[in-house]
Amino acid sequence: GAGVSQSPSNKVTEKGKDVELRCDPISGHTALYWYRQRLGQGLEFLIYFQGNSAPDKSGLPSDRFSAERTGESVSTLTIQRTQQEDSAVYLCASSLGTAYNEQFFGPGTRLTVL
Amino acid sequence: QQQVKQSPQSLIVQKGGISIINCAYENTAFDYFPWYQQFPGKGPALLIAIRPDVSEKKEGRFTISFNKSAKQFSLHIMDSQPGDSATYFCAARGGSARQLTFGSGTQLTVLP
Repeated sequence: GAGVSQSPSNKVTEKGKDVELRCDPISGHTALYWYRQRLGQGLEFLIYFQGNSAPDKSGLPSDRFSAERTGESVSTLTIQRTQQEDSAVYLCASSLGTAYNEQFFGPGTRLTVL
Repeated sequence: QQQVKQSPQSLIVQKGGISIINCAYENTAFDYFPWYQQFPGKGPALLIAIRPDVSEKKEGRFTISFNKSAKQFSLHIMDSQPGDSATYFCAARGGSARQLTFGSGTQLTVLP
């Protein structure tokens, strides 16, 4: 079956511009996560959606970052007024939502802020 | 605060050798410890995972060893192959959190 998909695969933008990154989770997965991976580093948690519950936004690094999810499907991560330090690979993962379920990752969006 | 510390940062092993990657954690609420494998340009993929009620879990050539009292866990790759060359991440989850806390990654190179 189809895995987690993300678009675009690459995004180059200028400092100060807004960007939107999209994630399509695996069908039926109620949980969706966004992580950021800076070059040569581990993954940093950004935000978590579970069904219709309020999202866990505790990992968002600043108020320039926001995310939405439509029901249990597509999610978009928006970064406003991008900065060079926002350059990273943004990874989306989905899971069945209960404890200990495997998180399936998409291929990521590589964001470069010039 | 880095809650999961991973070492080494990079590792070079000869084909057929044993690769060992170590992780240590601080949060005693962690109760799920997965290892992920990531190839260049791809997202991480689950390799093997363990819960703290067992001290070891083996799947094929991959083994997790877990030491609850020391708050450490490790990945052993037996008979390492060039196709195992990738970046490996340990992670942990627990308490009220659903997200994973990742280590910084180990770049493994297996020489032919």
